Amino acid sequence: KQEVTQIPAALSVPEGENLVLNCSFTDSAIYNLQWFRQDPGKGLTSLLLIQSSQREQTSGRLNASLDKSSGRSTLYIAASQPGDSATYLCAVPNSGNTPLVFGKGTRLSVIA
Amino acid sequence: GAGVSQSPSNKVTEKGKDVELRCDPISGHTALYWYRQSLGQGLEFLIYFQGNSAPDKSGLPSDRFSAERTGGSVSTLTIQRTQQEDSAVYLCASSLEVTGELFFGEGSRLTVL
Repeated sequence: KQEVTQIPAALSVPEGENLVLNCSFTDSAIYNLQWFRQDPGKGLTSLLLIQSSQREQTSGRLNASLDKSSGRSTLYIAASQPGDSATYLCAVPNSGNTPLVFGKGTRLSVIA
Repeated sequence: GAGVSQSPSNKVTEKGKDVELRCDPISGHTALYWYRQSLGQGLEFLIYFQGNSAPDKSGLPSDRFSAERTGGSVSTLTIQRTQQEDSAVYLCASSLEVTGELFFGEGSRLTVL
């Protein structure tokens, strides 16, 4: 059964810093990996979807990389802003098939 | 609609009552998922519908939980004889295809007194 771990569980940084969030998964037979953002009391917002054939995906200040063989993904946030404060979750399919299995997330606080 | 729509956004009920939660997926999305998020916990998969295939019910925690999807579109999650441990946010998501990007609704917050 797929297990997803996210490190760190929480992170507090000053505005303007670049930061990296980590995600690891136990079963590398995945067809994609997805990063989400969740604001308090809200649903999840999709940030980036990386297909298994891709090494990375970029959207604005966000860059996500995928290393299937080692079971790892990183989400890089450049020039962090207070509006980036949220919980970030990564998710992968369960053993090569849906449904997605989620990590517990990294709670990010960006201090102005 | 433009996104996944869920109702009600909040539901307070008494222990033992039945509740129904509704999800209206993005038009044209063939896959629909229900997840549960308890306070301080991660997302827990409940059930998954894909087209006309039999749903994957492997995540339903007990036989008090059931879901249906009518006409390949709207889905209803029903919890019978609610218990306090059912209190959580119930999230619905849809995707265009099995391997596609998931889009979530805002969730239905259920409180069982």
